Amino acid sequence: DIQMTQSPSSLSASVGDRVTITCRASQGIRNDLGWYQQKPGKAPKRLIYAASNLQSEVPSRFSGSGSGTEFTLTISSLQPEDFATYYCLQNNSYPLTFGGGTKVEIK
Amino acid sequence: EVQLVESGGTLVQPGGSLRLSCAASGLTFSIYWMSWVRQAPGKGLEWVANIKQDGSEKHYVDSVKGRFTISRDNAKNSLYLQMSSLRADDTAVYYCARGLSFGYWGQGTLVTVSS
Repeated sequence: DIQMTQSPSSLSASVGDRVTITCRASQGIRNDLGWYQQKPGKAPKRLIYAASNLQSEVPSRFSGSGSGTEFTLTISSLQPEDFATYYCLQNNSYPLTFGGGTKVEIK
Repeated sequence: EVQLVESGGTLVQPGGSLRLSCAASGLTFSIYWMSWVRQAPGKGLEWVANIKQDGSEKHYVDSVKGRFTISRDNAKNSLYLQMSSLRADDTAVYYCARGLSFGYWGQGTLVTVSS
């Protein structure tokens, strides 16, 4: 199974900050990676697919990069509505696996 | 607008069975792989199973193999998850999601396994 190691597990940041979240795959997954945002009590929402493609209607302050084993989600200027938990997902091979999540909290 | 609406979640005893449904609208259901993803209370996301467009290929996470069966009815735009031999650690919100990369999600349905 491919393990997805996400870091940090949590972070505190202020509105306007640049935030970076990393996912490392235990083996190469090409660009078969997505990023998801989940707010409390709500379903997850896809932000990025195929490592760097922005989902329609997702603000351009979100961006994804990477390939192979290391991937990054960047929020260029954190907004109040971005405080949430973020997950990565590899869909390269079965079983599909998520990272452990990163909770972004208000500083 | 794409809508995925799960139903069927409830309280069930250990060892029991349950069938979840997901009704899809606003999309051409028959052209997408479909998945079930679950989230135990206070925990992260776990992919459970997925099914190819025509139902000819199915995949499961090891922990549910032999106990859960995914199926679909393209004529009814519906996805199903038949769960049996349920255990306490199956307690979770179950989401259906579109595609291999989960582009859209339903709101989830809660399954609680407890005596």
